[in-house]
Amino acid sequence: KNQVEQSPQSLIILEGKNCTLQCNYTVSPFSNLRWYKQDTGRGPVSLTIMTFSENTKSNGRYTATLDADTKQSSLHITASQLSDSASYICVVSTGGFKTIFGAGTRLFVKA
Amino acid sequence: EAGVTQFPSHSVIEKGQTVTLRCDPISGHDNLYWYRRVMGKEIKFLLHFVKESKQDESGMPNNRFLAERTGGTYSTLKVQPAELEDSGVYFCASSQVPSGSWSYNEQFFGPGTRLTVL
Repeated sequence: KNQVEQSPQSLIILEGKNCTLQCNYTVSPFSNLRWYKQDTGRGPVSLTIMTFSENTKSNGRYTATLDADTKQSSLHITASQLSDSASYICVVSTGGFKTIFGAGTRLFVKA
Repeated sequence: EAGVTQFPSHSVIEKGQTVTLRCDPISGHDNLYWYRRVMGKEIKFLLHFVKESKQDESGMPNNRFLAERTGGTYSTLKVQPAELEDSGVYFCASSQVPSGSWSYNEQFFGPGTRLTVL
């Protein structure tokens, strides 16, 4: 069964600290993996997208990694800001357009 | 450039009533998707249009849901009659696959319509 599991479910960190979110998947065939940020009341916004051959990709203070052998991905946030408070969703696509969403990690950044 | 827009942002209806949600994709995007997130669960795929044709509707929960995309532009999702379990947030997304590269199918999401069925 195609599944995407994320951990932790929620996380509280202090402003300025780093954090790492995890995503494990059992999706086949694999096409790409994306991390989205979703602010409350808004739609998900793409942060990074990686294919099978890519193992790291950065977007500002966000760095995603992908290990296609172990089927694991992580999203590292550096020097967190209050505006980073949001849900972070890992999404894995099979061939073509099929997408499987993780339940998300709810991040709270406190001053 | 305008993003994906959805209307209404919120809808509260009673069980048995009909509701129609609308999605306007980014101009020029042939691919349009509907998703749904029910309370406490992950977002789940409902269906995918390529222009006006349904490419994949395997995620549609039952025949109370009807999606259309007249002329390959905006899309509507009608729920008739609505049931309590239909409550959730309905997202629409659109994409335009770069030529020769299906792997980078980046989807742009709308803000969602929050549906509450009482």
